[in-house]
Amino acid sequence: GAVVSQHPSRVICKSGTSVKIECRSLDFQATTMFWYRQFPKQSLMLMATSNEGSKATYEQGVEKDKFLINHASLTLSTLTVTSAHPEDSSFYICSAMGGGENQETQYFGPGTRLLVL
Amino acid sequence: GESVGLHLPTLSVQEGDNSIINCAYSNSASDYFIWYKQESGKGPQFIIDIRSNMDKRQGQRVTVLLNKTVKHLSLQIAATQPGDSAVYFCAEKVGQGGKLIFGQGTELSVKP
Repeated sequence: GAVVSQHPSRVICKSGTSVKIECRSLDFQATTMFWYRQFPKQSLMLMATSNEGSKATYEQGVEKDKFLINHASLTLSTLTVTSAHPEDSSFYICSAMGGGENQETQYFGPGTRLLVL
Repeated sequence: GESVGLHLPTLSVQEGDNSIINCAYSNSASDYFIWYKQESGKGPQFIIDIRSNMDKRQGQRVTVLLNKTVKHLSLQIAATQPGDSAVYFCAEKVGQGGKLIFGQGTELSVKP
């Protein structure tokens, strides 16, 4: 139980284009989903918290117009990187909360590697 | 600011030995902690968690110890195997919304 998927797993795009990443909780309804980014050899940095049916809460320094988050249902959240630039290249990981024995535990997706040329 | 940190960025152990990964946290109000394992190119995998009303919790080959007096968390892995090689992160729950603050990570390398 508590499986989270992400799609795509890897994407290469040209500078200036937008990229959408999907995060799905496969076997549970996620009360909350989170989006992180991770640079090589570094820890996870929380970008935003997403609750179904409401606006996402962004961390300080994260541009909400740059990283659009939509949480359409209890099993799906999407992150759209708008007008991507090379500095947006990173490993984007989502997590979902609400599955497993403990409703507070975050279960992570496999991540999406974004490369902007 | 408040943060969760690790004492050792890298740890190399012999296969079969026990491993201990340490973590220091600074938010005394935190009541929930989680250890994650992250293999290269993958998302973090839940290992074990512990609440602040406990000092110790055991799982399969893993034990988490919590010392609230010195704000210290550790992960012990018994009979470490090559498959345990990964980066291990401790995470601390902050506030009521479930937000986690991650430590910097420790890379565990298991030598055969």
